[in-house]
Amino acid sequence: DAGITQSPRHKVTETGTPVTLRCHQTENHRYMYWYRQDPGHGLRLIHYSYGVKDTDKGEVSDGYSVSRSKTEDFLLTLESATSSQTSVYFCAISDQASGGYNEQFFGPGTRLTVL
Amino acid sequence: GQQVMQIPQYQHVQEGEDFTTYCNSSTTLSNIQWYKQRPGGHPVFLIQLVKSGEVKKQKRLTFQFGEAKKNSSLHITATQTTDVGTYFCAGRDNYGQNFVFGPGTRLSVLP
Repeated sequence: DAGITQSPRHKVTETGTPVTLRCHQTENHRYMYWYRQDPGHGLRLIHYSYGVKDTDKGEVSDGYSVSRSKTEDFLLTLESATSSQTSVYFCAISDQASGGYNEQFFGPGTRLTVL
Repeated sequence: GQQVMQIPQYQHVQEGEDFTTYCNSSTTLSNIQWYKQRPGGHPVFLIQLVKSGEVKKQKRLTFQFGEAKKNSSLHITATQTTDVGTYFCAGRDNYGQNFVFGPGTRLSVLP
């Protein structure tokens, strides 16, 4: 498996509190992604990064922000957690191959419960 | 925006039976990827298809990309219990920077 870790792996929090999830990679890949996974929806992209300090929104970015100050770290922040943000969050990394896109390598996931 | 659909949502098969999942995109794709996620695990890349009509094989798995590059399929011959999991397709069209995932097909294999 690619060198990707996520922390924490499990978290329970209360509505209205801020939460930060961390993704750390040792592969020096340029691209990093945050997805959420919910039953019946597959994986939906929240935010992604194409370099240090270069980030952009995905399809479900409302209520989330990200930061990437180093190549190896990509942080996802829920500014004020809501119950609808209860989900499993996956970080992924990839490196763009010449003429195409390489596969994404996924981290182990973080299970977040917002009460 | 681009939408990716998969059918069926669930499939239960007896060990040794074949299995097929289908992926359809609302837009023409430049490439498509397939991933497998074991229960409790994370998605793992299986393959990428790029060319119209492309067919690739990995042991008992056969992947096809449609001629119009709007659909794809994954076929497993003679399923085994190790094939249990959810299979996702992810497509990228010519206008998007990122891949859009389908909702997945969950495969159960009865021994």
